[in-house]
Amino acid sequence: NAGVTQTPKFQVLKTGQSMTLQCAQDMNHNSMYWYRQDPGMGLRLIYYSASEGTTDKGEVPNGYNVSRLNKREFSLRLESAAPSQTSVYFCASIAPGQGYYFGQGTRLTVV
Amino acid sequence: GESVGLHLPTLSVQEGDNSIINCAYSNSASDYFIWYKQESGKGPQFIIDIRSNMDKRQGQRVTVLLNKTVKHLSLQIAATQPGDSAVYFCAENMGGGADGLTFGKGTHLIIQP
Repeated sequence: NAGVTQTPKFQVLKTGQSMTLQCAQDMNHNSMYWYRQDPGMGLRLIYYSASEGTTDKGEVPNGYNVSRLNKREFSLRLESAAPSQTSVYFCASIAPGQGYYFGQGTRLTVV
Repeated sequence: GESVGLHLPTLSVQEGDNSIINCAYSNSASDYFIWYKQESGKGPQFIIDIRSNMDKRQGQRVTVLLNKTVKHLSLQIAATQPGDSAVYFCAENMGGGADGLTFGKGTHLIIQP
């Protein structure tokens, strides 16, 4: 998915460790999003940023923090990872009327 | 709470046949709907969208139908090909777009040779 880049692609953490998932888009979009995807479930919104300098909670924000560093970058931080946070994480950006663009995902395992 | 859902978790069709994937939504305030395709190990890929002021929209080999009376959305794929094998998600948004999408759980489309 050209335009939205996530790093890393894979990560294994021990319970209690912290890490930051990085996301960048080069399409000059205002709004960016973090979703998680679990088996048998659709994507669920963690946090979003409607514009640079603003962030808001989504459906499942507990255990996460975000930073909208600039218009391009929106990072997701796990301060103290838990096994329940094992999931695939997707970053997305939106151009109103043009659809949502997703990154390739970060597969996180917390042991 | 209100949610978007799909009727069948798995749909198996013969190559060359038409596929119809269904989605029920319960939020009458939703005014924008999107279908996504997700292949294994990849992020969701935009297929087609439709706004609530439309009943039908066509793309290349795909058609989305919206029935607001019964809150039903469907994706029709004509002449399905092996490359159509994937999980398909419907998603809805309540106006504006900035507050994100609500996704259904997905339908796994399997193409039989």
